Amino acid sequence: QEQLVESGGGVVQPGGSLRLSCAASGFTFSSFVMHWVRQAPGKGLEWVAVISSAVNTKYYADSVKGRFTIARDNAKNTLYLEMSSLRGDDTAVYYCATSTIINGELIVWGQGTLVTVSS
Amino acid sequence: SYVLTQPPSVSVAPGQTARISCGGNNIGSKSVHWYQQKPGQAPVLVVYDDSDRPSGIPDRISGSNSGNTATLTINRVEVGDEADYFCQVWHTNSPVIFGGGTKLTVL
Repeated sequence: QEQLVESGGGVVQPGGSLRLSCAASGFTFSSFVMHWVRQAPGKGLEWVAVISSAVNTKYYADSVKGRFTIARDNAKNTLYLEMSSLRGDDTAVYYCATSTIINGELIVWGQGTLVTVSS
Repeated sequence: SYVLTQPPSVSVAPGQTARISCGGNNIGSKSVHWYQQKPGQAPVLVVYDDSDRPSGIPDRISGSNSGNTATLTINRVEVGDEADYFCQVWHTNSPVIFGGGTKLTVL
């Protein structure tokens, strides 16, 4: 059964950095496009970033461009999100999710990891 | 940028039909996907490519898309359908765009 498990969330001060991980199992990770989507408390879904299966294509939301970096290690079946220059409005639950193409539907979702940016 | 507009809330009695709209400029020319999110849980894909259902999604749930409005329809609504629903499309310069979400309340 396909499964995604996020980790790495926590409390970080404004201006700080954090790295999220998403461990995949139950499917051929290297064949799928991977996304990060976040949800601020009580708010809707906001797409953050996407990386192609072959790692050669990446896109970012304008709100995180230049501050966040998406990466993957297909040998370890793991997706990453490096976050820096964190701000209060980055506080959210961060989900990883799969799709078959860059602009397709998000098929499998993890349970999310909470990032809180606060002093 | 491309904007998807959903009503904040929809209320329906058990057994009735719920319709949740997702408005966007010429959205009928795009593929629309829908997600269901229950409190404290991750979103779940319930409709993709306007009207297809993933395995395990009941046929009470359906989708349509034409003109400037896509619609998620839930027939014979059950208490367990109470959730937030989000539509999604892609647009130039942004692979994934979500609507603001609609809270479905089963009265």
